[in-house]
Amino acid sequence: DADVTQTPRNRITKTGKRIMLECSQTKGHDRMYWYRQDPGLGLRLIYYSFDVKDINKGEISDGYSVSRQAQAKFSLSLESAIPNQTALYFCATSDWTGATDTQYFGPGTRLTVL
Amino acid sequence: DAKTTQPPSMDCAEGRAANLPCNHSTISGNEYVYWYRQIHSQGPQYIIHGLKNNETNEMASLIITEDRKSSTLILPHATLRDTAVYYCIVRVAGNQGGKLIFGQGTELSVKP
Repeated sequence: DADVTQTPRNRITKTGKRIMLECSQTKGHDRMYWYRQDPGLGLRLIYYSFDVKDINKGEISDGYSVSRQAQAKFSLSLESAIPNQTALYFCATSDWTGATDTQYFGPGTRLTVL
Repeated sequence: DAKTTQPPSMDCAEGRAANLPCNHSTISGNEYVYWYRQIHSQGPQYIIHGLKNNETNEMASLIITEDRKSSTLILPHATLRDTAVYYCIVRVAGNQGGKLIFGQGTELSVKP
């Protein structure tokens, strides 16, 4: 969805380096999410944020941190990258209508940790 | 969230309707049925969702059985660009931790 952008789209880094993946959205949604996808596996939730002051851990938050700089921006950091963090990373946003909160995904960042 | 069961793969001829089934026999009354698809390594794309009534949008139709234990996603005129993995997800909307649980999905191949 072009309303959700991720930078960079591809990144190769070395073990121990700190890197940041960025996500921006123009959909005006309050809720934002970070997922990772490994080959042959489904998406797993890393962190999510229901508004600028609300940050929550997902099922696999160890080794990651996030920052919600504004409603439209949600960054994911790997403080000290390790090879098993090599994966596809997706950002998503959603709007809570009082009944449903459909999630819309960005194009993804392919991260390789050597 | 209830568990879903989908066939691992399906083929469809270009221009024909693609009917993708999903079983969710343990669905609860407040759980919605969502469909997403993922075209090779791209971000998952939202298709449609519903609670108990049939739904239609510009991409597809969703047929939910009266007992809500199964559903079918219909792509009325499949094209080669519809080749993707399709995920049926059942979840309670709202403040439930946020995550979508993607199972194995159905790999749909649209052939000329």
